[in-house]
Amino acid sequence: DTAVSQTPKYLVTQMGNDKSIKCEQNLGHDTMYWYKQDSKKFLKIMFSYNNKELIINETVPNRFSPKSPDKAHLNLHINSLELGDSAVYFCASSQDSAYGREQYFGPGTRLTVT
Amino acid sequence: EDQVTQSPEALRLQEGESSSLNCSYTVSGLRGLFWYRQDPGKGPEFLFTLYSAGEEKEKERLKATLTKKESFLHITAPKPEDSATYLCALYGGSQGNLIFGKGTKLSVKP
Repeated sequence: DTAVSQTPKYLVTQMGNDKSIKCEQNLGHDTMYWYKQDSKKFLKIMFSYNNKELIINETVPNRFSPKSPDKAHLNLHINSLELGDSAVYFCASSQDSAYGREQYFGPGTRLTVT
Repeated sequence: EDQVTQSPEALRLQEGESSSLNCSYTVSGLRGLFWYRQDPGKGPEFLFTLYSAGEEKEKERLKATLTKKESFLHITAPKPEDSATYLCALYGGSQGNLIFGKGTKLSVKP
């Protein structure tokens, strides 16, 4: 059983398009996250949701909008894609939003914008 | 500013050659230091959490230790399957995010 899953695995699209990445966790966790890993492999938080409510929103462009239909799902929608958005995006989850909780990551979605 | 620095960036070992990876940190109030393993094309895999100085945790050939300024990931008699990037992280920053270091890429040759 996959604990944290993401679709699609790969996404190739042109500048200006809108795309979505889906994430699901079957761990029964309350908190989910989106991370971006750039070409230098540096992993950085983008958003965090706890029980469908946004609790962390790092400085990311407004073109990125997370949506959580329920606590097991956290989707990432990106409008007007730019070349600089090319990266690997990881979804993660943790039991709750308390400090010290380990986070479990999905397999990643490699986004390439041409 | 809360910060995580890992060294070396890359480490090449022969099978069986033990070594250590370093993670030095500055944070106002440690709430857990985490080690993850990341294989190419995959997401980070959780290994350990350390909460206080002096704490140690072990898993197979890996042992993580923690002081007030740094953490070490000791690898004893590594095997080629231990080859991966090892990431260190801690909670910090103004919103209590998980802050990652840039990782140490470990290669173990047979």
